[in-house]
Amino acid sequence: AQSVTQLDSHVSVSEGTPVLLRCNYSSSYSPSLFWYVQHPNKGLQLLLKYTSAATLVKGINGFEAEFKKSETSFHLTKPSAHMSDAAEYFCVVNSGYSTLTFGKGTMLLVSP
Amino acid sequence: GAGVSQSPSNKVTEKGKDVELRCDPISGHTALYWYRQSLGQGLEFLIYFQGNSAPDKSGLPSDRFSAERTGGSVSTLTIQRTQQEDSAVYLCASSLVLGNNEQFFGPGTRLTVL
Repeated sequence: AQSVTQLDSHVSVSEGTPVLLRCNYSSSYSPSLFWYVQHPNKGLQLLLKYTSAATLVKGINGFEAEFKKSETSFHLTKPSAHMSDAAEYFCVVNSGYSTLTFGKGTMLLVSP
Repeated sequence: GAGVSQSPSNKVTEKGKDVELRCDPISGHTALYWYRQSLGQGLEFLIYFQGNSAPDKSGLPSDRFSAERTGGSVSTLTIQRTQQEDSAVYLCASSLVLGNNEQFFGPGTRLTVL
């Protein structure tokens, strides 16, 4: 079985400050992990993915995530938030099954 | 096409009517997936296809829901006798092969059942 917990439903930051979106997972097997972003009225876009290579994964738009097996975590970070980063972010796990399991999402709010 | 496309983008229907939602995956992608995104429920998996075959229909919410895929390409999700609780955004995704590969998502179809 696999599951994903996104620890915050909403995160608010000021433009130019760091972003941290937290994600914990559980999986019976070595998982692949993803972060997707969804801007209002837009489709889901892949930010980055971890597939058992380097544990620090760099994605698009300056985002990165670190896979920590001991903590079963895959937190998403960005050093400096932009207004355009405001969106909903989904942490996703795939343990080799045919489907993805999505977290409930974290809404990132960026204020000027 | 360049990405996954879905039609219609919006659908408003009356309770009790049938609706068909269409998904065109990325050319060459053998695996296709349907998800539903609704307020309070997050994103839930409905069904996947490997080629034209859907081995596991257990994710479909009720027997009013069905899906098919023909020619290893286009897929349709059909909802019969729609109910208000069917209102949601229905997302389609495709991947090169089944398994751990990245899934590419379409823009979704927003279904509103009055």
